[in-house]
Amino acid sequence: GAGVSQSPSNKVTEKGKDVELRCDPISGHTALYWYRQSLGQGLEFLIYFQGNSAPDKSGLPSDRFSAERTGGSVSTLTIQRTQQEDSAVYLCASSGDLIGELFFGEGSRLTVL
Amino acid sequence: KQEVTQIPAALSVPEGENLVLNCSFTDSAIYNLQWFRQDPGKGLTSLLLIQSSQREQTSGRLNASLDKSSGRSTLYIAASQPGDSATYLCAVRSTGGFKTIFGAGTRLFVKA
Repeated sequence: GAGVSQSPSNKVTEKGKDVELRCDPISGHTALYWYRQSLGQGLEFLIYFQGNSAPDKSGLPSDRFSAERTGGSVSTLTIQRTQQEDSAVYLCASSGDLIGELFFGEGSRLTVL
Repeated sequence: KQEVTQIPAALSVPEGENLVLNCSFTDSAIYNLQWFRQDPGKGLTSLLLIQSSQREQTSGRLNASLDKSSGRSTLYIAASQPGDSATYLCAVRSTGGFKTIFGAGTRLFVKA
């Protein structure tokens, strides 16, 4: 696609439920990133995927968080047993060449009641 | 561990003023540094990217500089306009990987 696409744009869920957030990167981009932005805060790195290499999961805050990237394209971020502190905007970015410029989607706003 | 700091946290200026936003980083072994703009409720828009071998980049009224030895970058905005009001974020990718760390941002308000 023309840009990074994320869905859903908004998600309201109850505490304890599982949620899945989807990211469709720019076609041909080999690197894909997930960040979390809590209200009024900067971006917190969660995970990145680069080609066929093992992902860097060093930013995932707990084992309730996981992500996968299928076929080197679409990625899904899964949050199990959601907590109120998981409420945030989850942003996805991709980059595709040696320069490494990041391009962001519009984000998925998650609200845990 | 790379840490990125942005000063000031917020800035309010009258229209037409030239201004400078600051970004500092702790590890000088960087691959690139990127400046973004974020409007309320929106994603991030890339403004300028400076590669490790470069000293500055310019786009229109924006100029970004990079001094790796001192761990600093500045974003200069000339002749500010109300439409420049947004949060400006600095992001640093270190060498040896793809991890990119963001500063907390500078919230800019340009008064008409």
